[in-house]
Amino acid sequence: EDKVVQSPLSLVVHEGDTVTLNCSYEVTNFRSLLWYKQEKKAPTFLFMLTSSGIEKKSGRLSSILDKKELSSILNITATQTGDSAIYLCAVDLQGGSEKLVFGKGTKLTVNP
Amino acid sequence: NAGVTQTPKFQVLKTGQSMTLQCAQDMNHNSMYWYRQDPGMGLRLIYYSASEGTTDKGEVPNGYNVSRLNKREFSLRLESAAPSQTSVYFCAGAGTNLYEQYFGPGTRLTVT
Repeated sequence: EDKVVQSPLSLVVHEGDTVTLNCSYEVTNFRSLLWYKQEKKAPTFLFMLTSSGIEKKSGRLSSILDKKELSSILNITATQTGDSAIYLCAVDLQGGSEKLVFGKGTKLTVNP
Repeated sequence: NAGVTQTPKFQVLKTGQSMTLQCAQDMNHNSMYWYRQDPGMGLRLIYYSASEGTTDKGEVPNGYNVSRLNKREFSLRLESAAPSQTSVYFCAGAGTNLYEQYFGPGTRLTVT
């Protein structure tokens, strides 16, 4: 059974801290890994990673994939209260169908 | 350009009632998806449609049916609602990057 596991499940930090969120996967026919941010409503896309070792960056957020370790990390530097959200990791599978398998998410709370 | 829209936003049903959740997109997506999100469970795929006229089961299809009426619309039907179907339902479409999904705002369904 395809599985995506995120850790920690929740995290509380102070503004200005740096956080690292983890995602590991056990799937057949891996194609890519995606990160989403979910605030009050729908998830919004952050990154897609397909190649090992290549960092994707957007402002204070960055992510990298390690295919050997079957995992990815999402880093957020100099956190702000607006970073408070659930961060979802998903894996896209090959095989002709465009399906994503999601992890349970990490709930990040950034306190002022 | 509304993106992905869902109706209704909120719904309360009694056990055994039926209803259809509507989803429409104006982004010319080929693929569309229905997910449910429960606390601590992440997003779970109910059904998806890789193209107009085709539908496939996801991880949790029992108790649901879907219709891909045309390229724009993908509806989810609950024939006989059960309290276990109390959840937030998200519709999504695949963007120009096939593995980058755009989500609708969600429907919060309560079954009593």
